[in-house]
Parts: sequence; C-alpha cells; structure tokens
Amino acid sequence: QKEVEQDPGPLSVPEGAIVSLNCTYSNSAFQYFMWYRQYSRKGPELLMYTYSSGNKEDGRFTAQVDKSSKYISLFIRDSQPSDSATYLCAMGRRGYQKVTFGTGTKLQVIP
Amino acid sequence: DAMVIQNPRYQVTQFGKPVTLSCSQTLNHNVMYWYQQKSSQAPKLLFHYYDKDFNNEADTPDNFQSRRPNTSFCFLDIRSPGLGDAAMYLCATSPGQGLDTQYFGPGTRLTVL
Repeated sequence: QKEVEQDPGPLSVPEGAIVSLNCTYSNSAFQYFMWYRQYSRKGPELLMYTYSSGNKEDGRFTAQVDKSSKYISLFIRDSQPSDSATYLCAMGRRGYQKVTFGTGTKLQVIP
Repeated sequence: DAMVIQNPRYQVTQFGKPVTLSCSQTLNHNVMYWYQQKSSQAPKLLFHYYDKDFNNEADTPDNFQSRRPNTSFCFLDIRSPGLGDAAMYLCATSPGQGLDTQYFGPGTRLTVL
C-alpha cells in the first residue's frame, strides 16, 4: 500500500463547477499537508499549506484535513479553464526534510 | 522576486554523454532538493542537501551525482545518460526550520537521443 493515494483522473468539469480533489494517507505521523498545482511542462506551484485538521480558505480554494480519517481534500469553487492542471497533494513530518507526494489528479475545466 | 531558477529549461543530450543541470535560489533556504518526474507520475526524490550535508535516496542510481558549492547553487550531474533518464528534473528548496513547504523551480526537461 502506498503511503499516499490519489486518484489520477482525469477529471473533467464544466466551467463554474465546484471541484473536489482528494488524497488518503496511511501514515499517521504526517503533520502538515500541501496542495500543489502543476501546469503541463512546468514545475509544481504551492497552492495551499495546512498543518491542522479543519478547513483553510484562500480565495476560490479551500483545503480540508481530517486527520482522524487520514483524508485531505482541495475544493475549487467557480472553476475556471485556467484551473486546468494536475493537482498534487503532499505531506510531511516536522523536522523531516522530505515530503511524500501523491501521484496527482489531472483536472480539465471545460469552457 | 525571490525564486528558484533552473537552467537550461530544455536540455538535449546523446546517449552516454554527460550532462549537468543547474539550480539557483534567492530564497536563502537551507535545503535544496533534486527530483525526477516522468509523465503522469509524482516527483521522485533523488537527493537533497541540508546546508552542506548530502542525503542520497537509497534507490537513486549511481549515474546521478550532485554538488552544492554554496547556499545558492546546486547542480545535478548525470554521468552517462540512458534513454530511461529522459524526464523533467525539478529543483526545490525549503527553509529547513520545521514544518517546511517546498518551493519548486520551473524544471529542466531532459531529452536523451
């Protein structure tokens, strides 16, 4: 079993839809959680960072962490064609320099 | 703007011909990472430096080497590239102070002919 599981998609939604992207993990030692957006042939860009259970909102993006269920989500409201990208979840532990990535979910927002 | 810079963005080499990829950062971060990413896969960590301390992943082939001459620069050397080494190579940095996020450069796409 992989430490982090993420549905690779692809996920296609119409413009304006609410998108839900998810990751599950098996290692209860993970303490902080990130979402990266990666456009085709570009490096990952940090979108959201959180280290506690609950919700964190930034504009159209909401990151949700449920440590008891070992489940994290990224919600995108009013999705735009420019949101079309691969979304990677990543998780880490305090004082441990490495993070563990999910395989990424490819999202396409159709105009 | 503070950032992570990678050069070149695109590199073409021949089978077996050594190649060096470079990364520089203006973030003054302690930790620098090199990842390999193939199509539709997660980034795979090759190695990282915490300051000058080098940390190699157990499954990183000996064909891959790295140098960090100072805080700002880090290099990835591929001594004898094979066709299987064609990939995107990503450099990232992090502060190295606890609950660290990683900041990525734009990547170098390596083609091996």
